[in-house]
Amino acid sequence: SAVISQKPSRDICQRGTSLTIQCQVDSQVTMMFWYRQQPGQSLTLIATANQGSEATYESGFVIDKFPISRPNLTFSTLTVSNMSPEDSSIYLCSVGPSGNIQYFGAGTRLSVL
Amino acid sequence: GQNIDQPTEMTATEGAIVQINCTYQTSGFNGLFWYQQHAGEAPTFLSYNVLDGLEEKGRFSSFLSRSKGYSYLLLKELQMKDSASYLCAVNPSNTGKLIFGQGTTLQVKP
Repeated sequence: SAVISQKPSRDICQRGTSLTIQCQVDSQVTMMFWYRQQPGQSLTLIATANQGSEATYESGFVIDKFPISRPNLTFSTLTVSNMSPEDSSIYLCSVGPSGNIQYFGAGTRLSVL
Repeated sequence: GQNIDQPTEMTATEGAIVQINCTYQTSGFNGLFWYQQHAGEAPTFLSYNVLDGLEEKGRFSSFLSRSKGYSYLLLKELQMKDSASYLCAVNPSNTGKLIFGQGTTLQVKP
């Protein structure tokens, strides 16, 4: 497994602002992903964070709204831009250190007023 | 399209056995996963099936039938702490991406 540190754990933001979420892993991992979990819902994949290149976004998610960085094999950031109340969710990073199994960070609880 | 179905809610009694079913229709198949998620916490990995059959891990077992697009998670000797959401997820390709079902909220009663 891997130890994943995600910051911040929660935040309350004003609409129109942006928030950057950090995900730090204690070892180098090949795969890093960002998911969103809306209230009472399951997890939806936002994008695959690719080391040294642009992230791969899923249908319905765009880079202008959710820019992602991955400068190395242990760190990634997700920014939620120009926030609206509809962006209120839990945002989770996950990593796949080996094989197919993914492990999740504790998540960032975002509330947008 | 990709589709994963699970019951929304289940209730069971402490000490009993409960089976949570999951059916899937995906463009490909590279493994099925079960995660447990307590309220306000991150999902934690429970089991992984890529071949047909039963995988047992302590009180938890998971079964897969690829021909039927079907899996179940079996929880034995239920404890109050097993009250949580159980998420079924499929990896449809070798990219590592997971598609999640809506999750099953299990309530264990005394």
